[in-house]
Amino acid sequence: AQSVSQHNHHVILSEAASLELGCNYSYGGTVNLFWYVQYPGQHLQLLLKYFSGDPLVKGIKGFEAEFIKSKFSFNLRKPSVQWSDTAEYFCAVNPTNNAGNMLTFGGGTRLMVKP
Amino acid sequence: EAQVTQNPRYLITVTGKKLTVTCSQNMNHEYMSWYRQDPGLGLRQIYYSMNVEVTDKGDVPEGYKVSRKEKRNFPLILESPSPNQTSLYFCASSSGLGTGELFFGEGSRLTVL
Repeated sequence: AQSVSQHNHHVILSEAASLELGCNYSYGGTVNLFWYVQYPGQHLQLLLKYFSGDPLVKGIKGFEAEFIKSKFSFNLRKPSVQWSDTAEYFCAVNPTNNAGNMLTFGGGTRLMVKP
Repeated sequence: EAQVTQNPRYLITVTGKKLTVTCSQNMNHEYMSWYRQDPGLGLRQIYYSMNVEVTDKGDVPEGYKVSRKEKRNFPLILESPSPNQTSLYFCASSSGLGTGELFFGEGSRLTVL
């Protein structure tokens, strides 16, 4: 079965620092990749997604992610974080040949940005 | 406004007392799913439904039931809740095109004493 690993469970940064959150998945076939964000007390929202094409994808609020197929990775980046980026971030994978369990999620990374 | 609506948002109950968490979506999505979120474990799928009257188990279905009698509704039923079902539950829907892009509800925080 596929799995998704997020290496950092908790990250604390100061405002304006750069952010990179790691995500690796284990699945040999073609996948769609996602980052979801959950702001405190809210539901999950889609941050960005990769289906095909340019492996560097840009999402909302200045976030981007790079798909590196050889490393089975889909790391999330932001050049300069803001206090409002404080949230929990989830990487998720959808094998393209499996519509049933549409998303397998990583364990999440809780980001705290200090003002 | 396109949305997924869950009720109740918060519930405290006792072991063995049957409860239902409702979920409704207004986007005419075929695919609906329930997840539970626990610290450090991310979201784990409980049940999903590809369409009306079609449901199937996810990764952690034990202790739960679902039904899909109408396209818009997908209730989660806990026949005899236990403390290990204390969790944050999310309902989600998708157009079912196989893209994996989900729209989530606000979440239902359940505590079983």
